Amino acid sequence: EVQLVESGGGLVQPGGSLRLSCAASGFTFSSYGMNWVRQAPGKGLEWVSYISSSSSTIYYADSVKGRFTISRDNAKNSLYLQMNSLRAEDTAVYYCAGTAAGTGWFDPWGQGTLVTVSS
Amino acid sequence: QSVLTQPPSVSGAPGQRVTISCTGSSSNIGAGYDVHWYQHLPGTAPKLLIYGNTNRPSGVPDRFSGSKSGTSASLAITGLQAEDEADYYCQSYDSSLSGSVFGGGTKLTVL
Repeated sequence: EVQLVESGGGLVQPGGSLRLSCAASGFTFSSYGMNWVRQAPGKGLEWVSYISSSSSTIYYADSVKGRFTISRDNAKNSLYLQMNSLRAEDTAVYYCAGTAAGTGWFDPWGQGTLVTVSS
Repeated sequence: QSVLTQPPSVSGAPGQRVTISCTGSSSNIGAGYDVHWYQHLPGTAPKLLIYGNTNRPSGVPDRFSGSKSGTSASLAITGLQAEDEADYYCQSYDSSLSGSVFGGGTKLTVL
């Protein structure tokens, strides 16, 4: 069964840091580009970051550039998002999602992990 | 303000047809980048509904169809069913932002 499972969410104070993880199974993780997508309360989906299968290409949304770092470990079938200098507006459910090579759509998706930035 | 513009809500009675529009610009849809559509129920993982403008993944009913023209795309749902009530999002790539972009989402209500 194809599966993505996020973890690492929680409550953090403004200015703090958090590291999200995404564990993949049931597909060839090392062949997929991977993304983080978030949804703030009452808002729509927002793409956050992309990393290619070999980690050679990385993109960030302007809203997180310089604060968030995406990485992956293909040996562990895992994707990460290091989030620093967190702000209240970073409060959201964070999803990891795969992008097959040569395509632009997101499939599969994880169930998401909630990050709350509040004092 | 989302880069791709969708109506906030649409509604229809069971059995009817509804369409959801997705309007972009010359740096995304108009530049030839594909449009993809997702169905999202609260508390669940978004589900790929249409990829590459018009293609349905296996398991998606043929009641769902997609189209693209110029700087816009549309998702059509025929034979509305109560289970179709969800949020729908379009997604594409934007060359000026060097990243993927989503529409603001459309809430479908089945009356």
